[in-house]
Amino acid sequence: AQSVTQLGSHVSVSEGALVLLRCNYSSSVPPYLFWYVQYPNQGLQLLLKYTTGATLVKGINGFEAEFKKSETSFHLTKPSAHMSDAAEYFCAVSEWDRDDKIIFGKGTRLHILP
Amino acid sequence: KAGVTQTPRYLIKTRGQQVTLSCSPISGHRSVSWYQQTPGQGLQFLFEYFSETQRNKGNFPGRFSGRQFSNSRSEMNVSTLELGDSALYLCASSSRTSGLSTDTQYFGPGTRLTVL
Repeated sequence: AQSVTQLGSHVSVSEGALVLLRCNYSSSVPPYLFWYVQYPNQGLQLLLKYTTGATLVKGINGFEAEFKKSETSFHLTKPSAHMSDAAEYFCAVSEWDRDDKIIFGKGTRLHILP
Repeated sequence: KAGVTQTPRYLIKTRGQQVTLSCSPISGHRSVSWYQQTPGQGLQFLFEYFSETQRNKGNFPGRFSGRQFSNSRSEMNVSTLELGDSALYLCASSSRTSGLSTDTQYFGPGTRLTVL
């Protein structure tokens, strides 16, 4: 069965610094991978997703993630953090051709320091 | 295009009671999924409805049930509430052109349920 591990329940970065949120997955088949963001008192919003093809995926708000099969990772990055990036981020995985469900990680809360 | 709406936004109930939550998907979307979000367990999939049929189910007890109407609106019901049912319940809709886990899901703001 698939699973997702997000390293660090809280991450703090300074405004303008690199954002790196880590996600490792476990899957016995080629997975589909997702990053979602949740702002306070709101639902989740899709940032980006990897299905097939190019392993570097670009999403909204300047975020991108790279699928590394050998490392079973799908880390989320943004070159320069903005105050508005403060939110909770969720990595998710699906074994789309075996079990049509999405499994979410526990989430990482990103804090932006002025 | 209006987003996913959920009502009510906040709800307080006592143990043993039952509760019904409502979700209206984005116009044209026929798939509605429900998730439970708690600090301890994170986001957990409850079930998915597509064209009035339950297509997928997570590992929750039978106290959790749902249904979908012909206009794609969905309701979720929890009977005999327990303290541990306190959570944010999120609804998501998708067009489900392929599979649930491949389509983009659009989430509502959630209903925060507190069980006393």
